[in-house]
Amino acid sequence: GESVGLHLPTLSVQEGDNSIINCAYSNSASDYFIWYKQESGKGPQFIIDIRSNMDKRQGQRVTVLLNKTVKHLSLQIAATQPGDSAVYFCAENVNRGSTLGRLYFGRGTQLTVWP
Amino acid sequence: GAGVSQTPSNKVTEKGKYVELRCDPISGHTALYWYRQSLGQGPEFLIYFQGTGAADDSGLPNDRFFAVRPEGSVSTLKIQRTERGDSAVYLCASSLFGTSTDTQYFGPGTRLTVL
Repeated sequence: GESVGLHLPTLSVQEGDNSIINCAYSNSASDYFIWYKQESGKGPQFIIDIRSNMDKRQGQRVTVLLNKTVKHLSLQIAATQPGDSAVYFCAENVNRGSTLGRLYFGRGTQLTVWP
Repeated sequence: GAGVSQTPSNKVTEKGKYVELRCDPISGHTALYWYRQSLGQGPEFLIYFQGTGAADDSGLPNDRFFAVRPEGSVSTLKIQRTERGDSAVYLCASSLFGTSTDTQYFGPGTRLTVL
């Protein structure tokens, strides 16, 4: 079945370092992937997305890499700041019939940035 | 413009009671989604509306859960005979078109506690 999982449940980095958060997915029919950031007590906040016909996409301080061969997704955050501390989720959308609108989320990675 | 809003932000109820959770999507968004998030987990899909109709309700756990979107804008998630296991954060999201590559924007959630 569809599943999105994360390799590490927690990640601690020093302010200014780069962070890499990984995600594995199992459904080759997934055609859209999204990274969300969730701070305590808030809803998931969109960070960046990527379609399956791409292997890299860059935003402001963030880069998403997609490796369809091994079904792996990663989020890279450059010059990590204390405000980046949050739980990060990857999510996938499987382009298939009635489940078109459904996002499948992984468990999340808790990123902690210390000064 | 305003994002997705949800009311109430917190709801405490007793086992067996009925509750209604409200979602106001981003203006102009045709698709609306409900998810449920348990502590330490990623959001899990419940139901997805395209306009006024439920395009996919296969995520609703049982017939105690029901959702409506009568005018294609505001949606209400209704839970009958609440159980302690229903305690979770209920998240609402909306997207412009509801396609598989459409970004879903989340509200802050309603924290439901069933005593």
